[in-house]
Amino acid sequence: AQTVTQSQPEMSVQEAETVTLSCTYDTSESDYYLFWYKQPPSRQMILVIRQEAYKQQNATENRFSVNFQKAAKSFSLKISDSQLGDAAMYFCAYSDFGGNEKLTFGTGTRLTIIP
Amino acid sequence: NAGVTQTPKFRILKIGQSMTLQCTQDMNHNYMYWYRQDPGMGLKLIYYSVGAGITDKGEVPNGYNVSRSTTEDFPLRLELAAPSQTSVYFCASRNPGQGANGYTFGSGTRLTVV
Repeated sequence: AQTVTQSQPEMSVQEAETVTLSCTYDTSESDYYLFWYKQPPSRQMILVIRQEAYKQQNATENRFSVNFQKAAKSFSLKISDSQLGDAAMYFCAYSDFGGNEKLTFGTGTRLTIIP
Repeated sequence: NAGVTQTPKFRILKIGQSMTLQCTQDMNHNYMYWYRQDPGMGLKLIYYSVGAGITDKGEVPNGYNVSRSTTEDFPLRLELAAPSQTSVYFCASRNPGQGANGYTFGSGTRLTVV
């Protein structure tokens, strides 16, 4: 079974600075998807960024980018120019390619932005 | 589009009571999922469905039942509520073959069993 590990329960960063959240995963598959979701106090699950395992290029979405290391099974999220609205729980998630495509989540990292 | 709609948003149950959490999507998605999120934890899969009439167990199915009679609806049934079922429940949907386009989540149901 696939597993996802987030080893940082909490992180904090000064506003406008850069922060990196870590995620490792375990799978025997060669094709799969990886995601970072943001969960603010409203509980809504918001997709931040996604990565297809077959793509070598790291995904970027505005201030958010990932460092995808397939051999090391590592998928970190970098947030640049941190803003107060970035404060939330962040979850790393894995999905198989094809089949039922269910998500496996890590335990999350709570990010605090210091004004 | 409304997306994925979950009702109710909050509910308090007494031990042994039963209830149904409703989930409806209007995107004609084939795949639907129920997850639970315990305090301080990530989401864990309870049940999922790949189409009307087809359901299967996820990681934590004990104490729950589901049905999928239509593409739009995927209700989750708790027959004998227990304190261990206190959690936030999320319904999600997607279509296969959408690649990494992600899932659409409902806004969650906070359930407390006392």
